[in-house]
Amino acid sequence: SQQGEEDPQALSIQEGENATMNCSYKTSINNLQWYRQNSGRGLVHLILIRSNEREKHSGRLRVTLDTSKKSSSLLITASRAADTASYFCATDMGTNDMRFGAGTRLTVKP
Amino acid sequence: DAGVIQSPRHEVTEMGQEVTLRCKPISGHNSLFWYRQTMMRGLELLIYFNNNVPIDDSGMPEDRFSAKMPNASFSTLKIQPSEPRDSAVYFCASSLGGRREKLFFGSGTQLSVL
Repeated sequence: SQQGEEDPQALSIQEGENATMNCSYKTSINNLQWYRQNSGRGLVHLILIRSNEREKHSGRLRVTLDTSKKSSSLLITASRAADTASYFCATDMGTNDMRFGAGTRLTVKP
Repeated sequence: DAGVIQSPRHEVTEMGQEVTLRCKPISGHNSLFWYRQTMMRGLELLIYFNNNVPIDDSGMPEDRFSAKMPNASFSTLKIQPSEPRDSAVYFCASSLGGRREKLFFGSGTQLSVL
């Protein structure tokens, strides 16, 4: 079963707009990671946030984590057509597993 | 570094045939993961190696699937016999230090079993 559940499943925006994706999970985690997958390619790690952190930035990416609500959000600011991809959250629960959600498919129109 | 290298990139085979997927992790990484991706089930962890030792294979669907890591630079995932429901994209990923952090993924093997 999938641990992380991304919302929305699909998102379409215009270039220059911000894109926000959410991830909810069910059990306690050590960290939460966001990955990007371009069509036909492998996943690429974007950012990791630990359970004792609330917010993290990397370039145009901003990730928040609310452990009380068991949720995280990924914000991409000033989106570009090249940001078109699927975005996955992955939760490390401290076991021998790291679960990926079903992903959000982002389309950025030029 | 060339990244995680998987071969073949595409594999088309007939039901009942043996399929072997190959993976070369990034040099120095000591954790290796095999994932399977389908539209219906998303990304599923099949097996996880740490220092060439299988740590958790609970995700391997059934006895038809087997994985080996004979050394730090090579792993195989074998399906014998293959079935149409095995059709999926199989990814290999590696990470540093035995942690499930910042996985580096290969480009995947697109498997079609007819």
